Amino acid sequence: DGGITQSPKYLFRKEGQNVTLSCEQNLNHDAMYWYRQDPGQGLRLIYYSQIVNDFQKGDIAEGYSVSREKKESFPLTVTSAQKNPTAFYLCASSPLGSGSPLHFGNGTRLTVT
Amino acid sequence: AQSVTQLDSHVSVSEGTPVLLRCNYSSSYSPSLFWYVQHPNKGLQLLLKYTSAATLVKGINGFEAEFKKSETSFHLTKPSAHMSDAAEYFCVVSDGDYGGATNKLIFGTGTLLAVQP
Repeated sequence: DGGITQSPKYLFRKEGQNVTLSCEQNLNHDAMYWYRQDPGQGLRLIYYSQIVNDFQKGDIAEGYSVSREKKESFPLTVTSAQKNPTAFYLCASSPLGSGSPLHFGNGTRLTVT
Repeated sequence: AQSVTQLDSHVSVSEGTPVLLRCNYSSSYSPSLFWYVQHPNKGLQLLLKYTSAATLVKGINGFEAEFKKSETSFHLTKPSAHMSDAAEYFCVVSDGDYGGATNKLIFGTGTLLAVQP
């Protein structure tokens, strides 16, 4: 079955450490996205990519970095510069074009202490 | 710029009674609108989508939504709630102000639906 796989489901890190969240899709979608979800705030866009080797900042990119070396993969690194990294992180993909629905992974819950 | 407002953060209904989740949007042009559902600790699943065809859109699991341009609303309804409908629901508008190729979605803050037995 086609879909998006995020791993791990739960991740625990100490403050000051960088951590990388994995996202892989086999839907052959060109566009991929990372969202952060906090209670009562909906989803906020961190980064998105429409094509391999290219990506753009979303609304809350500070303290995060991404790469898009392959069409199928869009890993997100949460750096030590991110002030409040504890959150639920969702990866999504879609075909290109405004109005295309997003397909979501099941998320990674990151806890930093 | 586009925006979306979900008018209720929590809605509670009894099993078998109708569901109404309210959503208003603002957009400077004809928008694409979506409803997504999220069960605890899961990703979001698309319920239905409006893209300027029929104003009454039917989705999965018996949900439907009506696009009302005069009221800038896109409320989600279901005639009879089931226990499995308990989840968080997000109203979403597509932000097309990026040359048409970019698909940035603007999410509402969500409505948590509780279904009482």
